[in-house]
Amino acid sequence: SQQGEEDPQALSIQEGENATMNCSYKTSINNLQWYRQNSGRGLVHLILIRSNEREKHSGRLRVTLDTSKKSSSLLITASRAADTASYFCATAQGAQKLVFGQGTRLTINP
Amino acid sequence: DAGVIQSPRHEVTEMGQEVTLRCKPISGHNSLFWYRQTMMRGLELLIYFNNNVPIDDSGMPEDRFSAKMPNASFSTLKIQPSEPRDSAVYFCASRLDSGSGGYTFGSGTRLTVV
Repeated sequence: SQQGEEDPQALSIQEGENATMNCSYKTSINNLQWYRQNSGRGLVHLILIRSNEREKHSGRLRVTLDTSKKSSSLLITASRAADTASYFCATAQGAQKLVFGQGTRLTINP
Repeated sequence: DAGVIQSPRHEVTEMGQEVTLRCKPISGHNSLFWYRQTMMRGLELLIYFNNNVPIDDSGMPEDRFSAKMPNASFSTLKIQPSEPRDSAVYFCASRLDSGSGGYTFGSGTRLTVV
């Protein structure tokens, strides 16, 4: 069953602009993770934020988590053509199980 | 490390045939996961193993699906008999429990059942 719901389903922006994707979930979590998937490839882990954290940075990525609203956002700053991919949030339920959302398809136009 | 290795990359088979998908996790990782991805249902967790033991197989769609992990470096997902609705991309992922928490995914096996 799907836990997270990403919003928007698709996003198209110009190179250099910032891209923001949102994720909402339903149940209590241990942590929330974001993954990227290029067309025809496997998923690549980007960043993990624990339930007791509110914000985390990694390079051009910024992730926020609001457990009271059961939501998270992923911000990619200064986007590049190579950032074109699908982005998924995944929530960790219990010690192991990751449940993925449907993803946001991001297109960066040169 | 070569990462999580899946084989084959593509498989086309006729309905009713047996299909076996293979996965070699990253050496030292102690958890292994099988996911299925389709346009309609997205990414679904089928089963996961911890220290070679199946922990949760509640996502396995039906008895036609089975998975094994005979040792820490190898796992199989078998579908017998296969049906057209099994067509999907099947991903294997592994993780070290004491690590950063992220999964490492393989490149997937694209299965087409005709």
